[in-house]
Amino acid sequence: SQTIHQWPATLVQPVGSPLSLECTVEGTSNPNLYWYRQAAGRGLQLLFYSVGIGQISSEVPQNLSASRPQDRQFILSSKKLLLSDSGFYLCAWRTGGSHSPLHFGNGTRLTVT
Amino acid sequence: TQLLEQSPQFLSIQEGENLTVYCNSSSVFSSLQWYRQEPGEGPVLLVTVVTGGEVKKLKRLTFQFGDARKDSSLHITAAQPGDTGLYLCAPSNFGNEKLTFGTGTRLTIIP
Repeated sequence: SQTIHQWPATLVQPVGSPLSLECTVEGTSNPNLYWYRQAAGRGLQLLFYSVGIGQISSEVPQNLSASRPQDRQFILSSKKLLLSDSGFYLCAWRTGGSHSPLHFGNGTRLTVT
Repeated sequence: TQLLEQSPQFLSIQEGENLTVYCNSSSVFSSLQWYRQEPGEGPVLLVTVVTGGEVKKLKRLTFQFGDARKDSSLHITAAQPGDTGLYLCAPSNFGNEKLTFGTGTRLTIIP
């Protein structure tokens, strides 16, 4: 069966520090991968998605970046965090095709202080 | 960028009551998914609707896709505290792997 791992679960970082969140998927090949951010009490904002190794689509201009160094690994990074980067970050995967569902990780709650 | 509005934004009702929440857009979609998210967790798929006018039932939940495939509704009968959560709709189109979500409806069922 397929599983998705996302870590860490919680993170407290000072403003200006770097960030690296990692997400890996097991049990499937060539998944589409997604990073979303959710502010407190709000909906999900799509940050990045990837349909293959090295292929990244960015949805929102910001100080975040994403990389996909391996087929089932998706990394979200920042060189210098801002206070506004605080939120709940969710990684998700799905197979290609418009009807396939998203499968989410358990999320990382990031607090920038 | 497609704008997907969900209404109401917040809804708080007593256990046993019925409710309907909506997902509306001016764009046509190939399909639409409904998810429920509980605090501190990722959203979980409830249903995918594909055909205009389609109705799907999941126990006490009834989902309908609009005839023109621009909107959808979720009706809950005899709501229970376990229905509490954030309900999100997500439309998709053939050939487009980007998947965005509506603004969400936060539902609270009061025992």
